Amino acid sequence: SQTIHQWPATLVQPVGSPLSLECTVEGTSNPNLYWYRQAAGRGLQLLFYSIGIDQISSEVPQNLSASRPQDRQFILSSKKLLLSDSGFYLCAWSGGGYSYEQYFGPGTRLTVT
Amino acid sequence: QKEVEQNSGPLSVPEGAIASLNCTYSDRGSQSFFWYRQYSGKSPELIMSIYSNGDKEDGRFTAQLNKASQYVSLLIRDSQPSDSATYLCAVNNPGGNNRLAFGKGNQVVVIP
Repeated sequence: SQTIHQWPATLVQPVGSPLSLECTVEGTSNPNLYWYRQAAGRGLQLLFYSIGIDQISSEVPQNLSASRPQDRQFILSSKKLLLSDSGFYLCAWSGGGYSYEQYFGPGTRLTVT
Repeated sequence: QKEVEQNSGPLSVPEGAIASLNCTYSDRGSQSFFWYRQYSGKSPELIMSIYSNGDKEDGRFTAQLNKASQYVSLLIRDSQPSDSATYLCAVNNPGGNNRLAFGKGNQVVVIP
């Protein structure tokens, strides 16, 4: 069966510090991968999605970036965090092709102070 | 017009009653529809998928799809306190690349 991992689970970072969140998927190959952010009391905002290694699309211009160095690894980064970057960061995967079901990881709660 | 809209405000239902959630979507080309359950502080969990007009039942959950009217609904029968959560409606984006458009969610509170 497929499993998706995210770490860290929680993170408190000062404004201006860098960020690296990691997501890995097990039990499937060539998944589509997604990064979402959910701000307090708000809906899911798609940040990035990837259909393959080094194939990443950005949905919202901002100070975040994403990379996919391996088939089942997706990384979200920032060089300098802003207060507005606080939120619940969720990684998700889907099977690709015409498979639209997305399955979420446990998430990383980021607080920027 | 938002891609996916869910009626706002928490829904309070007594234990054992039916909870009814509705969702409308804007793109007639959408073909795949999903309901996710999200407990407070946790990530969303896929609970129902529906692709054809009509009803689909899974345990105490029933999803209903009407493509002509562009709405999808979720019924929770015999509601339990463990059903207290936020329910997110999601619809595939025909524009491509397996993206889903999510509604903002409906909070359900089951009162014992």
